[in-house]
Amino acid sequence: DADVTQTPRNRITKTGKRIMLECSQTKGHDRMYWYRQDPGLGLQLIYYSFDVKDINKGEISDGYSVSRQAQAKFSLSLESAIPNQTALYFCATSDRKPRGTDYQPQHFGDGTRLSIL
Amino acid sequence: GQQVMQIPQYQHVQEGEDFTTYCNSSTTLSNIQWYKQRPGGHPVFLIQLVKSGEVKKQKRLTFQFGEAKKNSSLHITATQTTDVGTYFCADTPNTGNQFYFGTGTSLTVIP
Repeated sequence: DADVTQTPRNRITKTGKRIMLECSQTKGHDRMYWYRQDPGLGLQLIYYSFDVKDINKGEISDGYSVSRQAQAKFSLSLESAIPNQTALYFCATSDRKPRGTDYQPQHFGDGTRLSIL
Repeated sequence: GQQVMQIPQYQHVQEGEDFTTYCNSSTTLSNIQWYKQRPGGHPVFLIQLVKSGEVKKQKRLTFQFGEAKKNSSLHITATQTTDVGTYFCADTPNTGNQFYFGTGTSLTVIP
């Protein structure tokens, strides 16, 4: 969705460097997520945030940190990048869960392809 | 953590053939969402299933939720080249805090 913007789209960097991936959204959604995608492994959740003051670890948070600077902005940092963090990274948003059992769909950005040499 | 497995991992079909991908879990699934990711693209939401035994259709796509809520399937009738991509299922536990994505099925349609 053009409403979820990720920068940069591609990045090549060296082992040990600090990297920040940024995500901004104009959908007005409260919930934001960071995923990484590796071939054959699907999408794995790194961190998620339900509002500016709420940050939660996902399945694979080791080696990553996040910052929710505003409702519309959620950034992912790799403090000291290592080669096995080479992957495609997606930011996603969803609206607040309504009452009942239905859950809101997730809206993804175009992704950041990160290569660590 | 919760594991959601999809089979097959890859599927090649001739255009016009049918295609099915299965999503299986060792635990009871609360809600299933299906997404499609075109090559080079990002996942796009297709549909959500909530009730045991639920069946939903979108044109040539049929989505089912198992009676025991431990599996789900996506069936495409008479595939077209526009169906190419990777199909993911995703489960949300009852707390609704996280989405657990399946490993995906990559569909190739041969013209």
